[in-house]
Amino acid sequence: DTAVSQTPKYLVTQMGNDKSIKCEQNLGHDTMYWYKQDSKKFLKIMFSYNNKELIINETVPNRFSPKSPDKAHLNLHINSLELGDSAVYFCASSQALGYTFGSGTRLTVV
Amino acid sequence: DAKTTQPTSMDCAEGRAANLPCNHSTISGNEYVYWYRQIHSQGPQYIIHGLKNNETNEMASLIITEDRKSSTLILPHATLRDTAVYYCIVDLGSGNTGKLIFGQGTTLQVKP
Repeated sequence: DTAVSQTPKYLVTQMGNDKSIKCEQNLGHDTMYWYKQDSKKFLKIMFSYNNKELIINETVPNRFSPKSPDKAHLNLHINSLELGDSAVYFCASSQALGYTFGSGTRLTVV
Repeated sequence: DAKTTQPTSMDCAEGRAANLPCNHSTISGNEYVYWYRQIHSQGPQYIIHGLKNNETNEMASLIITEDRKSSTLILPHATLRDTAVYYCIVDLGSGNTGKLIFGQGTTLQVKP
């Protein structure tokens, strides 16, 4: 069983489009995150949700809107995609001291 | 900003121990030291963490200095599959709404 699963794995889309990335964890963790890894390979936290409530928003443009329908899911919706949004997006979950990451979604905006 | 500094890259011969250093001189008393690694473009993989005492698990050992200002991750018998970017992170842990802040990490190249 995959602990943290993201879909899709790859996403190619045109500038200006709106897209969503889904994340689900079956670990029973209370906290979920979205990270962005750019072309320079730096992993940066974007959002953190704890029990469906937003905890951290790291100065991410308003075009990015996370949604957590329940504590096992944290989806990321992106409006008006720009070239600079091209990156690998990782979902993660945590409980106490353990963090588990998904395998990533490679987003390419053309 | 990351609170740790690591060498940019290291080489290790296959079968030998890989010792990866990390400086975290501003660590606070309740922050843990975590080590993660990222193989190619996969998601970061948890390796080990510790607070004060040295720790060992099936993957690695973590040696933390007495003043907690630095630590070393030890892979006792490195294999080619251990080639990855290794990240040393200090964090409060999610129980305190912590967030993992990744630095540049150390690229470990295990050579045959």
